[in-house]
Amino acid sequence: DQQVKQNSPSLSVQEGRISILNCDYTNSMFDYFLWYKKYPAEGPTFLISISSIKDKNEDGRFTVFLNKSAKHLSLHIVPSQPGDSAVYFCAASAQTGANNLFFGTGTRLTVIP
Amino acid sequence: DGGITQSPKYLFRKEGQNVTLSCEQNLNHDAMYWYRQDPGQGLRLIYYSQIVNDFQKGDIAEGYSVSREKKESFPLTVTSAQKNPTAFYLCASSIAGSIMNTEAFFGQGTRLTVV
Repeated sequence: DQQVKQNSPSLSVQEGRISILNCDYTNSMFDYFLWYKKYPAEGPTFLISISSIKDKNEDGRFTVFLNKSAKHLSLHIVPSQPGDSAVYFCAASAQTGANNLFFGTGTRLTVIP
Repeated sequence: DGGITQSPKYLFRKEGQNVTLSCEQNLNHDAMYWYRQDPGQGLRLIYYSQIVNDFQKGDIAEGYSVSREKKESFPLTVTSAQKNPTAFYLCASSIAGSIMNTEAFFGQGTRLTVV
C-alpha cells in the first residue's frame, strides 16, 4: 500500500509561472520529508527537505510547505524555468526508521518556454 | 569525479536465471541501499548496508541477495526465487547510515527485463 502518494502524474506550466507539485502521506509517524528531482537517464538528486517541526522551508526558487494535520506537502517552484522540466519525487521517513525512505510515484513537470 | 555507478543500464535475462546488478561508489560513503520501482509505484527498499560485511533486509527482500565485501561495492543478485523481477532498480549511498541524509546520492538505475 502506497504510504506516499503523488496523485498527479504530470503537470505542465508556462515559463515564469508557479509550479505546484503535491504529495500526500498516510503514515503519521513520518517526520521528515524530501523532494528529489530526476532527469532522464540520471539518478534522482536531492532538491529540498523539511522536518515536521516546520511548516515551510525555502531555498531560492523552491519552497516546500507541510500541512501535518492534512498529511500533505507541496513543492512550489517560482518562477518556473525550462530547466526545471523533470520528474519530481516526494519522499518521507521517520527518524526511527532512518534507513528507509518511502517514495511517491513521481510527477513529471514540463515547463513550456 | 565522485559518484555512484550502476551497470548495466539495461539487462535482459531468461526466466529462472540469477542475475547480478552492479553498484559502485567512490564517495567514501559508509551506507548503501537498493531500491526497486515498478510502474505506478514509488521506490521500495530491498536491502541496505551501513557498514562493510553487514547488511539488513528492507521491505521487499524476498528473492534478492546482496553482499558488502568492500566499502565501494554493493552488488544485488536477483534470484530465480523472485517472482516478479522485471523492474527498475536504483542503488543509493549516503555518508552515514541514514538515507534521509541530504547528501545521499542515487545511481542512474538498471532496468531489468526477464523474458
